[in-house]
Amino acid sequence: GAGVSQSPSNKVTEKGKDVELRCDPISGHTALYWYRQSLGQGLEFLIYFQGNSAPDKSGLPSDRFSAERTGGSVSTLTIQRTQQEDSAVYLCASSLGTSGRSTDTQYFGPGTRLTVL
Amino acid sequence: AQSVSQHNHHVILSEAASLELGCNYSYGGTVNLFWYVQYPGQHLQLLLKYFSGDPLVKGIKGFEAEFIKSKFSFNLRKPSVQWSDTAEYFCAVNAAGGYQKVTFGIGTKLQVIP
Repeated sequence: GAGVSQSPSNKVTEKGKDVELRCDPISGHTALYWYRQSLGQGLEFLIYFQGNSAPDKSGLPSDRFSAERTGGSVSTLTIQRTQQEDSAVYLCASSLGTSGRSTDTQYFGPGTRLTVL
Repeated sequence: AQSVSQHNHHVILSEAASLELGCNYSYGGTVNLFWYVQYPGQHLQLLLKYFSGDPLVKGIKGFEAEFIKSKFSFNLRKPSVQWSDTAEYFCAVNAAGGYQKVTFGIGTKLQVIP
């Protein structure tokens, strides 16, 4: 079946502009995660969705970052007033999310490479 | 909060050499441990995971990892690497029970020379 998809694959924007990144999880996966991978850094957790609610937003670095999920499926990560330090690869992952199990395997998308000039 | 340390950031091996990638975590409670791999041009994918039972876990493509609780370690091993194992490897940990945020290490880039 189809895996996790993300769009766009690459995004170049100017400092101060807003950007929206999209994630389509695997059908039937109730859990969805956003991560950020900067050059030389590991994966930095941003936010976790279970269904349409986000019980863990602890990784969002500032109030310029927000995310939503609708219909228990597609998620959008929005970065307002982008800064150069926002440049990174943004990864989305989904998992079955059954009973919020901590052992679930996460299935990753290809990522969106964001460059802020 | 837990953290993960991967000791080697870049490893170069010849084909048929043995591989061991170090991973240590810090967390006082019960944990789940994961190794993910990203082959060139591909998505991150699960290699293996441990959450209970036999501390020696076998994964895909001949990889295995051993959980040593006393050392807070979960090292990844393969007796004989192939050129196709060239990839970036990430160790990850979360606390057991219900939803728990997964913390990833910085990753180790493995280059296998034919």
